[in-house]
Amino acid sequence: GAVVSQHPSWVICKSGTSVKIECRSLDFQATTMFWYRQFPKQSLMLMATSNEGSKATYEQGVEKDKFLINHASLTLSTLTVTSAHPEDSSFYICSARDHEGFNEQYFGPGTRLTVT
Amino acid sequence: DAKTTQPPSMDCAEGRAANLPCNHSTISGNEYVYWYRQIHSQGPQYIIHGLKNNETNEMASLIITEDRKSSTLILPHATLRDTAVYYCIVRVFNRGAQKLVFGQGTRLTINP
Repeated sequence: GAVVSQHPSWVICKSGTSVKIECRSLDFQATTMFWYRQFPKQSLMLMATSNEGSKATYEQGVEKDKFLINHASLTLSTLTVTSAHPEDSSFYICSARDHEGFNEQYFGPGTRLTVT
Repeated sequence: DAKTTQPPSMDCAEGRAANLPCNHSTISGNEYVYWYRQIHSQGPQYIIHGLKNNETNEMASLIITEDRKSSTLILPHATLRDTAVYYCIVRVFNRGAQKLVFGQGTRLTINP
């Protein structure tokens, strides 16, 4: 199947700083990418949907000014957690939809963010 | 909100078929049923999807009832590596976009 990568796989940052997470579709073009967050022992929660070249659409309750999403190319989307706080510590997972196939959606391996 | 209901946990013996049920009674006519699984601390892995007909691939089979209100994922010969959380998802259309909204899933444990 298609491959989605994320970088970094884990990151530790201090409160008040910002951290950027990259999501790449390696062998297909993805006009739509998704960002999820997962807390321990919980399911994935959809944060936002991004379409290449346009503004992201955020789910209810997700602060767009805190979680900045950029989808500048057909293979790259970034999530920036601004002014991070310990409660932002979570597992962040991106996903990309392959529009050439049967609309299958592939997930990255996730990024573990710890805010101290 | 997720449109699916799954049992929170199931056990299966290694080598036997694992049958994971899912209820999606409010599914609309053009909404697909997707199955993913997540092994601890990894991203979800795509398994299979379907609309009306039963589907089979190298990983699993998907049986969808005629009224489409429920489905069953079948892992024909479960191995220890199949231990994971399995998510049944109805892909919904919302605000012009197609989304996969995860429910709580079924934690499947394969026992030796």
